[in-house]
Amino acid sequence: DTAVSQTPKYLVTQMGNDKSIKCEQNLGHDTMYWYKQDSKKFLKIMFSYNNKELIINETVPNRFSPKSPDKAHLNLHINSLELGDSAVYFCASSQGLADTQYFGPGTRLTVL
Amino acid sequence: AQSVSQHNHHVILSEAASLELGCNYSYGGTVNLFWYVQYPGQHLQLLLKYFSGDPLVKGIKGFEAEFIKSKFSFNLRKPSVQWSDTAEYFCAVINTGGFKTIFGAGTRLFVKA
Repeated sequence: DTAVSQTPKYLVTQMGNDKSIKCEQNLGHDTMYWYKQDSKKFLKIMFSYNNKELIINETVPNRFSPKSPDKAHLNLHINSLELGDSAVYFCASSQGLADTQYFGPGTRLTVL
Repeated sequence: AQSVSQHNHHVILSEAASLELGCNYSYGGTVNLFWYVQYPGQHLQLLLKYFSGDPLVKGIKGFEAEFIKSKFSFNLRKPSVQWSDTAEYFCAVINTGGFKTIFGAGTRLFVKA
């Protein structure tokens, strides 16, 4: 059983398009996150949600909009994709706000 | 602003060598500390963590880390590395006040067989 799953695993798209990445966790956790990992492997938090409420919203362009339909899902929608959005996006979840995070396999986004 | 520094960006060791990876953070309040590992082509997974209590914590695969509060450090150690330890290692800090997770830039470890 996959604990944190993301779809798709790879996403190749043109500049200007809109795309979504989905994340689901079956761990019963209350908190979910989105991270961006750039080409130098640097991991930066983008958003965190606790019980479907936005807790952390880092300095992310408003083209990025997270949506949490329920505690088990946190989707990321990106409008008007730019070249600089190319990265690996990781979803994660944790029981509490300061607990161990469990990461998904990542979605490699390539914007052409 | 909070930050996490990992001093070694690339480390190359031979098998059986000892490993120490440095991690320092800047935050004056209470923190939870983590080391995560990312094996090639895989997602991040927890190596070990410190929340409170004994500052020397042991993790999986023979790794350990020591929290030194006065130095704001949480260095990772392993007495004898194996080829299978080749991976990227990330130190992470969560301040228990604002609940923001900060990751270090990562250390790429390559172990020669």
